[in-house]
Amino acid sequence: GAVVSQHPSWVICKSGTSVKIECRSLDFQATTMFWYRQFPKQSLMLMATSNEGSKATYEQGVEKDKFLINHASLTLSTLTVTSAHPEDSSFYICSASRTGRKLFFGSGTQLSVL
Amino acid sequence: QQQVKQSPQSLIVQKGGISIINCAYENTAFDYFPWYQQFPGKGPALLIAIRPDVSEKKEGRFTISFNKSAKQFSLHIMDSQPGDSATYFCAASTSGTYKYIFGTGTRLKVLA
Repeated sequence: GAVVSQHPSWVICKSGTSVKIECRSLDFQATTMFWYRQFPKQSLMLMATSNEGSKATYEQGVEKDKFLINHASLTLSTLTVTSAHPEDSSFYICSASRTGRKLFFGSGTQLSVL
Repeated sequence: QQQVKQSPQSLIVQKGGISIINCAYENTAFDYFPWYQQFPGKGPALLIAIRPDVSEKKEGRFTISFNKSAKQFSLHIMDSQPGDSATYFCAASTSGTYKYIFGTGTRLKVLA
């Protein structure tokens, strides 16, 4: 099956620091990856679409300068939360598609900003 | 029109029973409808998906029923087990995009 690896699983950081989250497609190439944010007991909120070799497309209301996305290769996309603040604390999840319409999700990253 | 409405918000079922979760949509351009299962602290995992050219799809204990005219689809979990206790999300997407619109989720608890 298609495996999407996300790292780290959880991270605690101080307010004002930046945090990088990695999303890798382990057994397939993904030209497009997606980044979501999920609050407790809520649905997945699409933040941005990450395209290999080009700029990410952000959803309305998502701050581009706050959430930097880089899709440097066909198997790796990164999300950097810059100058993190407590309100950025959340569960972040990436997804990628191998073929067809199926999306495969990473295991998520729980970010806690103190 | 881009919304996918999911119900119920939570569901409690006895072991061995049938769990039924419903979703409804407005956008007739949606042509792919997956269901995902999510355990706490984990990413969603694809369970089963359907396209509007079929009315039902079954994989093991999981069945999707699709009513194109009513713009509704549902997930049936037969012989529900405590290990099925999780949050279930329906989703929809249109041709040419991997962008999913997710339902609000249903928290299922199966009692032993």
